[in-house]
Amino acid sequence: ETGVTQTPRHLVMGMTNKKSLKCEQHLGHNAMYWYKQSAKKPLELMFVYNFKEQTENNSVPSRFSPECPNSSHLFLHLHTLQPEDSALYLCASSQGATAGTGYTFGSGTRLTVV
Amino acid sequence: GDSVTQMEGPVTLSEEAFLTINCTYTATGYPSLFWYVQYPGEGLQLLLKATKADDKGSNKGFEATYRKETTSFHLEKGSVQVSDSAVYFCALSETSYDKVIFGPGTSLSVIP
Repeated sequence: ETGVTQTPRHLVMGMTNKKSLKCEQHLGHNAMYWYKQSAKKPLELMFVYNFKEQTENNSVPSRFSPECPNSSHLFLHLHTLQPEDSALYLCASSQGATAGTGYTFGSGTRLTVV
Repeated sequence: GDSVTQMEGPVTLSEEAFLTINCTYTATGYPSLFWYVQYPGEGLQLLLKATKADDKGSNKGFEATYRKETTSFHLEKGSVQVSDSAVYFCALSETSYDKVIFGPGTSLSVIP
């Protein structure tokens, strides 16, 4: 039990589909993050939320739409994706305001776009 | 901007060999430093951390010392096991909101 739960673990979707990834943390953390991990590439930070407010969007295409309804839940809504969007999507949380505590990661959602 | 550089591997070692994975960083201030590990099919787990110069982080037989003078945070283990096969990420955090910057990761394979 990592404290950060991501669902689903695996997702296959067509380019015209709409789907959502869910992340939930039970650690009382204030900050949540979406990362993309592709083969042979460094981890890419996509979005940062602090106290439910989006504080960073790293030039992510609009076909990825985050939602953070409260400090414990984070969603990533997907629509009209491309095959190059196939990757492992990782959610993480942290205490936020206190530097040096590090992240707690979920196990990720393995997304395949066909 | 801040950045982390680490040997990319892959690194292949025999069981019980000594492990070193080099990590150096660039930062404007005094960051906290981390090592994360990712086992196959899983997300990243925090392995160890150090928050100030000369601190030594340790966990599961792994160690790393925060060297400000050389801006380094090398990961070491005296005797690796097959179960240590994973990808290891060096990382730093400098902002008050804890945003972590990751290195590219080093793949380690330990063979019996």
